[in-house]
Amino acid sequence: DQQVKQNSPSLSVQEGRISILNCDYTNSMFDYFLWYKKYPAEGPTFLISISSIKDKNEDGRFTVFLNKSAKHLSLHIVPSQPGDSAVYFCAASAQGTYKYIFGTGTRLKVLA
Amino acid sequence: EAGVTQFPSHSVIEKGQTVTLRCDPISGHDNLYWYRRVMGKEIKFLLHFVKESKQDESGMPNNRFLAERTGGTYSTLKVQPAELEDSGVYFCASSQGGGTTIYFGEGSWLTVV
Repeated sequence: DQQVKQNSPSLSVQEGRISILNCDYTNSMFDYFLWYKKYPAEGPTFLISISSIKDKNEDGRFTVFLNKSAKHLSLHIVPSQPGDSAVYFCAASAQGTYKYIFGTGTRLKVLA
Repeated sequence: EAGVTQFPSHSVIEKGQTVTLRCDPISGHDNLYWYRRVMGKEIKFLLHFVKESKQDESGMPNNRFLAERTGGTYSTLKVQPAELEDSGVYFCASSQGGGTTIYFGEGSWLTVV
């Protein structure tokens, strides 16, 4: 049973446009969410996080939105750059636990 | 400041052999995690240490896997005997506290043939 789902395995976006990566979760106890970027043959690199007390967190070109009622979060990258091409994972954890549950990832390709 | 380091980066072993993966967390991080990713699937939790204590090993696949963290510093993950389905990337991660960002190493790629 997949508690964190990334239903789009891949996404292609033109350079300069917005990339929107989606993530859904089923466990209402999750209260902390992270996005990671992963290049081939490298470990995941932390990108941005959001706590359930917020509905938006912004860091430069990256913004994460959280919709708790829909159990949905999204990562927006504006403007997208070719260097953003990577696999993006969302992860979630519940308060009091230290176990992060990851989605299967979305491969983003930014076309020059 | 050094990040999470893992050794070896790649390992190819025969079915039935033993492999030991090592992880050095970020200095000062009491929390250490092992994760695994198999063939393009999700990054799956294996276990979590706080210092030298195993807090949660609910993700360990079976008793062929043994993780240790003696002294609360580096950790090892031993697979004995290895099976074909153990092939994948084993990631180690660390964090200062729970509910905070975890930082990953580059991963140890294991291929069992």
